[in-house]
Amino acid sequence: QQQVRQSSQSLTVWEGETAILNCSYENSAFDYFPWYQQFPGEGPALLIAIRSVSDKKEDGRFTIFFNKREKNLSLHIKDSQPGDSATYFCAASITGNTGKLIFGLGTTLQVQP
Amino acid sequence: DTTVKQNPRYKLARVGKPVNLICSQTMNHDTMYWYQKKPNQAPKLLLFYYDKILNREADTFEKFQSSRPNNSFCSLYIGSAGLEYSAMYLCASSRRLGGSSAETLYFGSGTRLTVL
Repeated sequence: QQQVRQSSQSLTVWEGETAILNCSYENSAFDYFPWYQQFPGEGPALLIAIRSVSDKKEDGRFTIFFNKREKNLSLHIKDSQPGDSATYFCAASITGNTGKLIFGLGTTLQVQP
Repeated sequence: DTTVKQNPRYKLARVGKPVNLICSQTMNHDTMYWYQKKPNQAPKLLLFYYDKILNREADTFEKFQSSRPNNSFCSLYIGSAGLEYSAMYLCASSRRLGGSSAETLYFGSGTRLTVL
């Protein structure tokens, strides 16, 4: 049973559009939700993260919207660029063990120029 | 330098033979992790070292061993490789910040293990 689910394995958008990547989770104890970005041939790298006490976290063109009641979150990438083409992993963990990440399957984003 | 290095990039192993994967980091991180990633599956935590203390996940307890001879190096050892061990193995490191602070994991590029 997957504890962290990403609704799409792949997503294609045009350059300049907003890409929306969705994620949901099962365990109510999860309170830390990072998104990791992975380019081909590289390891995942932390992109942005949110704690369950917040409902929104913004960093430049990247925004996480979090809904604790519904146990879901989404990553919005505004003004998508071809360089944003990568695989995005939603993950979850618990304070005190934030390195023990439970990952989703990942969503591979393709931004078409 | 926030680099985690994994060697080799690709590794071929025979069924029943041992496999040893190596990871190193120069960030003086106190924690090092090993994750396994199979196609169409999520990365899965196998084990981690916090300082010199090894923590293995319950469902992989008997399948993987690890050693950390010093702060910078960590290995993942498979005593007898089976076909099911074919996967990408990702090493990561982090610094525990304590309290409610969240740690950032820095991942290596991975070692792709193929067992034949």
